[in-house]
Amino acid sequence: GQNIDQPTEMTATEGAIVQINCTYQTSGFNGLFWYQQHAGEAPTFLSYNVLDGLEEKGRFSSFLSRSKGYSYLLLKELQMKDSASYLCAVRGNPSGGYQKVTFGTGTKLQVIP
Amino acid sequence: EPEVTQTPSHQVTQMGQEVILRCVPISNHLYFYWYRQILGQKVEFLVSFYNNEISEKSEIFDDQFSVERPDGSNFTLKIRSTKLEDSAMYFCASSVTGETYNEQFFGPGTRLTVL
Repeated sequence: GQNIDQPTEMTATEGAIVQINCTYQTSGFNGLFWYQQHAGEAPTFLSYNVLDGLEEKGRFSSFLSRSKGYSYLLLKELQMKDSASYLCAVRGNPSGGYQKVTFGTGTKLQVIP
Repeated sequence: EPEVTQTPSHQVTQMGQEVILRCVPISNHLYFYWYRQILGQKVEFLVSFYNNEISEKSEIFDDQFSVERPDGSNFTLKIRSTKLEDSAMYFCASSVTGETYNEQFFGPGTRLTVL
């Protein structure tokens, strides 16, 4: 099957940098997503990585190492509005047939002044 | 700015009844998705749909569920014979391309309560 592990909670200071890690196990890996979800709202797409390396998009960057089954989301210049849950999700084909997307439980980030 | 819309925002139904959740994806998008999130739990992928057929689905998406694009704008999720454990927020999403996932835009969700 697919297994995803990410920290449950993190706290960081406004203006700082925070790195949220995600480790996964799957076969037939075909991409890793990061989403942001504010409480009571729908997820918002942040990034999609399918190749190794770092992809930068404004204050947010996402890194992938397929050989290590590892990704991280880097948030720079933290703002109070970045307080949210960050969801790691992996797309794979663990048992043949249809591909599936599995979400982690999310990392709840609290940004403090 | 174009957005994904979902109706109703909240649906209450009796156990055993059928419900249809409706979504209007962004007009030039080609891929459509349904996810659900039980209160306090993680998001779960249900199904993706392209070119009028299912392209991916999870083990949750069993015979109780079906999806349809009845016309050029709507994308529906039908749940037959609802169960208490189907109570969740159901999110529809759409994206432009299909070879690889492009940015997925989520609707605001429909909260389904099964009594």
